Amino acid sequence: DSGVTQTPKHLITATGQRVTLRCSPRSGDLSVYWYQQSLDQGLQFLIQYYNGEERAKGNILERFSAQQFPDLHSELNLSSLELGDSALYFCASSISRDGGNTIYFGEGSWLTVV
Amino acid sequence: AQTVTQSQPEMSVQEAETVTLSCTYDTSESDYYLFWYKQPPSRQMILVIRQEAYKQQNATENRFSVNFQKAAKSFSLKISDSQLGDAAMYFCAYKDFGNEKLTFGTGTRLTIIP
Repeated sequence: DSGVTQTPKHLITATGQRVTLRCSPRSGDLSVYWYQQSLDQGLQFLIQYYNGEERAKGNILERFSAQQFPDLHSELNLSSLELGDSALYFCASSISRDGGNTIYFGEGSWLTVV
Repeated sequence: AQTVTQSQPEMSVQEAETVTLSCTYDTSESDYYLFWYKQPPSRQMILVIRQEAYKQQNATENRFSVNFQKAAKSFSLKISDSQLGDAAMYFCAYKDFGNEKLTFGTGTRLTIIP
């Protein structure tokens, strides 16, 4: 158990819908990262928050957004969902701003868009 | 842009034997981190081992060790005394100092033959 908690573990939704994925980082970790793992794109970095502020942005679509709350949990919002958004979404956390310490991954949230 | 290449899509090894997974990367940076992550059928991403580029000594974690060749930009993972529980996808990953993004390779699927 990495200590990073993600909910829900599985989600099935229809095209055009909106979903929210939730992540609680390890106790004490200030950085939260979101990654997407799909069959055709592999593991892609989406976005990072550090202590409530956006720190870095990767290949995140405009239809997707994220935030980190004062209690350090984070949410990834996916809207206007398309079939191609079906993937495993990972949250990860680390204690430091630059991720120099170990980055721990949660178990992922499986999203299926039908 | 940094790239990570894993040229072995699949590998197999007899139980109790030793296997080496290959990884090469491309970067113009001198300071960075390298990681090996394991993804078993449960799909969780588990950190296996990490190496700081400024350290000349190769990292080891129990049965897992790396051969880090900075000049050759090579970072291979050696698994000794392979066990059935080692069966998984193994991902090599790279991260700059001060850059939040982990760049992953495409993975190597390791099968353990009883």
